[in-house]
Amino acid sequence: DAMVIQNPRYQVTQFGKPVTLSCSQTLNHNVMYWYQQKSSQAPKLLFHYYDKDFNNEADTPDNFQSRRPNTSFCFLDIRSPGLGDAAMYLCATSSATASGRSYEQYFGPGTRLTVT
Amino acid sequence: DAKTTQPNSMESNEEEPVHLPCNHSTISGTDYIHWYRQLPSQGPEYVIHGLTSNVNNRMASLAIAEDRKSSTLILHRATLRDAAVYYCILRISGNTPLVFGKGTRLSVIA
Repeated sequence: DAMVIQNPRYQVTQFGKPVTLSCSQTLNHNVMYWYQQKSSQAPKLLFHYYDKDFNNEADTPDNFQSRRPNTSFCFLDIRSPGLGDAAMYLCATSSATASGRSYEQYFGPGTRLTVT
Repeated sequence: DAKTTQPNSMESNEEEPVHLPCNHSTISGTDYIHWYRQLPSQGPEYVIHGLTSNVNNRMASLAIAEDRKSSTLILHRATLRDAAVYYCILRISGNTPLVFGKGTRLSVIA
């Protein structure tokens, strides 16, 4: 089945130690998103790629960066994780067209990041 | 982004219909109304969306008020597996990311 895959599902890192979270998709969607979800809160958009165009949310900390080497893969890099970065990180994809017709976003299961 | 207002929580008995309300009084003419839900320990999943007319799919129905300032997600027979947080989201087009509000936490009682 076509899907959004996130690896690993659980990641433990040390305070200040760089960490990379991975997302891959078999849907061939041109848009990929990263969301951060802290405990008991709604998902918060960090950034998204429309094809190769990177769109950063204004309040996303500089500590968070992303790479999209090809259509299928997208990475979230946290350069110096702090305790406040412990959260679930959700990757999502969608198919966007020039017409702007509204299509659903497909989410992966998330990676739960713990910072010690 | 236009804002939506939902009750923090709702409770339903199993096998009864559930009506989840959403107010979006500042909706613009081009905003689509999307509903997503998030089951425990999972990523959000699409439920349904519409623009002006009521919509039905295998998961739910979406009833949109004539003035589009409110909508209601209808689960026809709630099951225990429907216990989740339900998010009502306005989206200008398929090219804009979903921006989540607080959502409604639905509890289903056996």
